[in-house]
Amino acid sequence: AQTVTQSQPEMSVQEAETVTLSCTYDTSENNYYLFWYKQPPSRQMILVIRQEAYKQQNATENRFSVNFQKAAKSFSLKISDSQLGDTAMYFCAFGEYGNKLVFGAGTILRVKS
Amino acid sequence: NAGVTQTPKFQVLKTGQSMTLQCAQDMNHNSMYWYRQDPGMGLRLIYYSASEGTTDKGEVPNGYNVSRLNKREFSLRLESAAPSQTSVYFCASSEGPGLAGGDEQFFGPGTRLTVL
Repeated sequence: AQTVTQSQPEMSVQEAETVTLSCTYDTSENNYYLFWYKQPPSRQMILVIRQEAYKQQNATENRFSVNFQKAAKSFSLKISDSQLGDTAMYFCAFGEYGNKLVFGAGTILRVKS
Repeated sequence: NAGVTQTPKFQVLKTGQSMTLQCAQDMNHNSMYWYRQDPGMGLRLIYYSASEGTTDKGEVPNGYNVSRLNKREFSLRLESAAPSQTSVYFCASSEGPGLAGGDEQFFGPGTRLTVL
């Protein structure tokens, strides 16, 4: 079974600065997907970014980018130019065969003004 | 489009009571999911339905049953609630039933359930 580990329970960053959230996973599969989901205080889960394991190029979505290291089984999320609206819980997730998601425990990110 | 809707938003039950959580999606998705979210544990899959007419157990199915009523609706039933089932429950859907694991899942707003 796949496991996902987020080792940073909480982080904080000043507005306009850059922050990196860590995620490691364990799997014996070769082809899979990785995701970062955001859960703001409203509780609504929102997809931030998605990475296909067979693609070497790191995914980017505006201010959000990932550093995908397949051999190290590492998948970190970098948020540039942090905004107050980025304050949320961030979950790293592994996409299993059958479209099931395995989530990490989450990292609470607080953006300070 | 409402996306994924869940009812109720909040519920308090006594131990041993039963209830059904309702979920509906209007995106014509094939696959639907039920998760529970507990502090420090992220979201864990309870049951899922890859397509209409099929349901399968996830990581934590004990104490729950599901029904895929039609393509739009996927309900979760607690037959005899226990305090360990106090949690926030999320329903999600995805285009599916692609098997590769890459579909984006769209989540409902969640149901906060307390079992006394």
